[in-house]
Amino acid sequence: GAVVSQHPSRVICKSGTSVKIECRSLDFQATTMFWYRQFPKQSLMLMATSNEGSKATYEQGVEKDKFLINHASLTLSTLTVTSAHPEDSSFYICSARDPQGHNSPLHFGNGTRLTVT
Amino acid sequence: AQSVTQLGSHVSVSEGALVLLRCNYSSSVPPYLFWYVQYPNQGLQLLLKYTSAATLVKGINGFEAEFKKSETSFHLTKPSAHMSDAAEYFCAALNNAGGTSEGKLTFGQGTILTVHP
Repeated sequence: GAVVSQHPSRVICKSGTSVKIECRSLDFQATTMFWYRQFPKQSLMLMATSNEGSKATYEQGVEKDKFLINHASLTLSTLTVTSAHPEDSSFYICSARDPQGHNSPLHFGNGTRLTVT
Repeated sequence: AQSVTQLGSHVSVSEGALVLLRCNYSSSVPPYLFWYVQYPNQGLQLLLKYTSAATLVKGINGFEAEFKKSETSFHLTKPSAHMSDAAEYFCAALNNAGGTSEGKLTFGQGTILTVHP
């Protein structure tokens, strides 16, 4: 089945630095990828929709200058957390839809645990 | 606006007992519905999906779910729980009504399933 690879799985960084998270679709082309954030013991919250070749669409309340999204190819989307602060510590998960059908499910990466010290 | 409600943030069952995880959706147009499972520090794995075909959907690991339009429900069941079923389960609805929310997943709050011997 379709596989989405997310890297790194864990990252610890110092406050003020930037962190890049990669999301790759391994055996299909994804024109659209989604980035979610999950706080402990909570559900997934959609942050933004990443569109290949165009600007990402951010959900209300998500700072687009803080969470930079680049979808430069049909198999790669990146999320960069700029000037990270401890409150950005969270579990970030990407997903992609196999474009074979508009009702096909999302395939999820294994997530990235970000800890900002 | 579409919403997904999972009744019960925690469900505990004995090994071999019936598993029932509840999910109700609220949408003006019946959405496509999914159940995902999440193990600690991992992404989400698709268990099953409903896309307006058969109302009783069978998934992996012995799970199944029944779409009931009259009750706006999509409860997840498994006849006999196994220790390896212990995880967090998310019900999700895919907006297929068009508009700016087209293609976005809305997640329920999640239900943590505990299986004890």
